Amino acid sequence: DGGITQSPKYLFRKEGQNVTLSCEQNLNHDAMYWYRQDPGQGLRLIYYSQIVNDFQKGDIAEGYSVSREKKESFPLTVTSAQKNPTAFYLCASSTGTVFSLYGYTFGSGTRLTVV
Amino acid sequence: AQTVTQSQPEMSVQEAETVTLSCTYDTSESDYYLFWYKQPPSRQMILVIRQEAYKQQNATENRFSVNFQKAAKSFSLKISDSQLGDAAMYFCAYLRPPIQGAQKLVFGQGTRLTINP
Repeated sequence: DGGITQSPKYLFRKEGQNVTLSCEQNLNHDAMYWYRQDPGQGLRLIYYSQIVNDFQKGDIAEGYSVSREKKESFPLTVTSAQKNPTAFYLCASSTGTVFSLYGYTFGSGTRLTVV
Repeated sequence: AQTVTQSQPEMSVQEAETVTLSCTYDTSESDYYLFWYKQPPSRQMILVIRQEAYKQQNATENRFSVNFQKAAKSFSLKISDSQLGDAAMYFCAYLRPPIQGAQKLVFGQGTRLTINP
């Protein structure tokens, strides 16, 4: 079945470490997105990518980095510069065309905790 | 910038009754799309219903319907005959078709819906 796979489901990071969250899709979607979810704040956009080798900052990009070397993959790195990284992270994709107007497809998320 | 506001952090309803979740948004655009997403305890985001701003008719999907008031910039979700499986966090979201670039969803803060048996 087509969909988005996020791994790992739970991730623990020590202070000062960088960690990478994986997001893979087999939907042949051009556009991919990373959102952060905190209680009471909804989902906030971190980074997005319209096509391979291109990505743009969202509303809260500081302390994060991404790459888009393959259409199927859009990993998110949470760097040590991110002061409050404990959150739930959601990856999503869309066709990047008018059909995106039917909504995104979301992964099942990664819960990151700083220990 | 577009903003989406959900003023009800929590709502509860008796099973089989009807509940309405509120959403307002701010935009200067005339062409846009609105969505309601459901996030159950599994945390998987599920699209519930979608509304095109150019359509006057309110969208419906089985027990779910919306009341779209474009002039008031209001987009409420009505759930009829509430079921235990409807218990979830509900997010209202706005999307403006871009001239170019990725289509970015803007989300509200969410409303946690509890269904009482």
